[in-house]
Amino acid sequence: AQSVTQLDSHVSVSEGTPVLLRCNYSSSYSPSLFWYVQHPNKGLQLLLKYTSAATLVKGINGFEAEFKKSETSFHLTKPSAHMSDAAEYFCVVSDRTSTGFQKLVFGTGTRLLVSP
Amino acid sequence: DVKVTQSSRYLVKRTGEKVFLECVQDMDHENMFWYRQDPGLGLRLIYFSYDVKMKEKGDIPEGYSVSREKKERFSLILESASTNQTSMYLCASSQRFSQTDTQYFGPGTRLTVL
Repeated sequence: AQSVTQLDSHVSVSEGTPVLLRCNYSSSYSPSLFWYVQHPNKGLQLLLKYTSAATLVKGINGFEAEFKKSETSFHLTKPSAHMSDAAEYFCVVSDRTSTGFQKLVFGTGTRLLVSP
Repeated sequence: DVKVTQSSRYLVKRTGEKVFLECVQDMDHENMFWYRQDPGLGLRLIYFSYDVKMKEKGDIPEGYSVSREKKERFSLILESASTNQTSMYLCASSQRFSQTDTQYFGPGTRLTVL
């Protein structure tokens, strides 16, 4: 089964400084990986996804992630944090059910705190 | 834009009550999903449906059932609510079942069982 591990439950940054949210994956085949964001009292929104094309994936709101097979990592970065980036971020891997359907397997989440 | 709506944002029920959570999507998606979200556990898949009247168990189906009578609507049913079902429930939909497919989420229903 596929799985992801988010290495930090909380990350605190100052506005204008870089953001790094770490994610390692475990996969028996070439994975599809996603980052979703959840702002307070809102549903999850897709930030970006890796589907075995380019290893550096650009997403919305200035976020990007790099797929590194040798390190089994898919870390999310942003050069300069905004106050509006404060939210919970989920690293997600696509897996298959026993009957062959796609399902998403979520990490436990990283809460990003941004201070002025 | 894809829109997934859930019937209630907040719900309070008593132990033993039958609870219905409703989800509607407006993009003619084939697939719909129910997850629960708990602090420190991320999202866990309860049930999903790949067609009208078709369903399959996810990772934590115990204590839940689902119904999909129309393509756009997917209901989660708690036959006899218990306090350990207090949680945030999220509905999602997607167009296909490819490994790269994006799931679109509703805003969630926070259920409290007293």
